[in-house]
Amino acid sequence: SAVISQKPSRDICQRGTSLTIQCQVDSQVTMMFWYRQQPGQSLTLIATANQGSEATYESGFVIDKFPISRPNLTFSTLTVSNMSPEDSSIYLCSVEDTTSNEQFFGPGTRLTVL
Amino acid sequence: LAKTTQPISMDSYEGQEVNITCSHNNIATNDYITWYQQFPSQGPRFIIQGYKTKVTNEVASLFIPADRKSSTLSLPRVSLSDTAVYYCLVGSGGYNKLIFGAGTRLAVHP
Repeated sequence: SAVISQKPSRDICQRGTSLTIQCQVDSQVTMMFWYRQQPGQSLTLIATANQGSEATYESGFVIDKFPISRPNLTFSTLTVSNMSPEDSSIYLCSVEDTTSNEQFFGPGTRLTVL
Repeated sequence: LAKTTQPISMDSYEGQEVNITCSHNNIATNDYITWYQQFPSQGPRFIIQGYKTKVTNEVASLFIPADRKSSTLSLPRVSLSDTAVYYCLVGSGGYNKLIFGAGTRLAVHP
């Protein structure tokens, strides 16, 4: 199984600012995924990050708003840019064990935008 | 990616068996069925995965009929700690992006 950590665990930010969330995995993985979970809601996939290439964004999410980096096989960052209160959410990263098809999730980053 | 439909919420009592059914009428031939559990303030956690018939592990059983258009997650003898949201997902293996539905919010009462 993969162990995933995220930083920060939570933050309170002012509108118009940006926050970069870090995701660290204890093993090398090809694909990493970023999700958003708004209060009381299900998870929504933001993008898929493959090491060495541009992230693939889902409908409704754009690179200018959510730039993603994937510098190596154990690390990724998601930036929430020019934040507004509507961006208040929990952001989670995940990785897939391709041998078991099991996906592992980080603990999430709880973001509040004032 | 196949869409899933499951009850929004369920209530049960400690010691009872809970069965949560999920519909996935458009499941593709190479799709697996996977269930995740999510506690408040935590990321989802894998429970069980299957392709057809029945799969059992130390936590749950998964029943899949021959047409694979639905599946049932069975939790034996639930306890208060099983109170969580349960998500049913379908998708093919290998670099699979998970698309979450609304999930089923299970409340276990004393």
